Amino acid sequence: EDQVTQSPEALRLQEGESSSLNCSYTVSGLRGLFWYRQDPGKGPEFLFTLYSAGEEKEKERLKATLTKKESFLHITAPKPEDSATYLCAVQAVEIGGATNKLIFGTGTLLAVQP
Amino acid sequence: DTEVTQTPKHLVMGMTNKKSLKCEQHMGHRAMYWYKQKAKKPPELMFVYSYEKLSINESVPSRFSPECPNSSLLNLHLHALQPEDSALYLCASSQDTRVQETQYFGPGTRLLVL
Repeated sequence: EDQVTQSPEALRLQEGESSSLNCSYTVSGLRGLFWYRQDPGKGPEFLFTLYSAGEEKEKERLKATLTKKESFLHITAPKPEDSATYLCAVQAVEIGGATNKLIFGTGTLLAVQP
Repeated sequence: DTEVTQTPKHLVMGMTNKKSLKCEQHMGHRAMYWYKQKAKKPPELMFVYSYEKLSINESVPSRFSPECPNSSLLNLHLHALQPEDSALYLCASSQDTRVQETQYFGPGTRLLVL
């Protein structure tokens, strides 16, 4: 069964304290891995798409990387405004056909304190 | 521009009411989605429309009725809901339903069923 697991569930950082969030996946055929940021009561905001192992993408203080089994979201020198829930989602090829269904992890709640 | 809009932002309804949620995008996307998200949980897929036709219904109860009047609009008609249906309802769109296409989410409608 396709599965996505994110860790840690919650992370508290001091401003400027760099860290990484993990997204492990078990899917039959990965077609894409997506990172979203979600603020309380708002819709997920798209951050990155990664398609193949070894791929990396950066945006401001965020950098996403992908291996064959997991993805990391590295946060460098975070600021309080980076506080949010970070969701990882994967697309996998279903047996007998392709699908663009997203399989979401349960998210990491990040709190950055000034 | 990757904007998906949703109205209303908040909705309170009784179990005998009929109401509708509206979603709109002007990105030329031909795939649109409805998700339901409970507190501290990831989004759960409800329906997928591809080129204005319903392509996926994730066994959603019939008290939820989707409609896609044209390629830019997606509605979700609500009737005889239960208190457990209270949640954040998210609309998303993507270029089409091919694998690897990024889904862009709207801000959501916060629904409370009394």
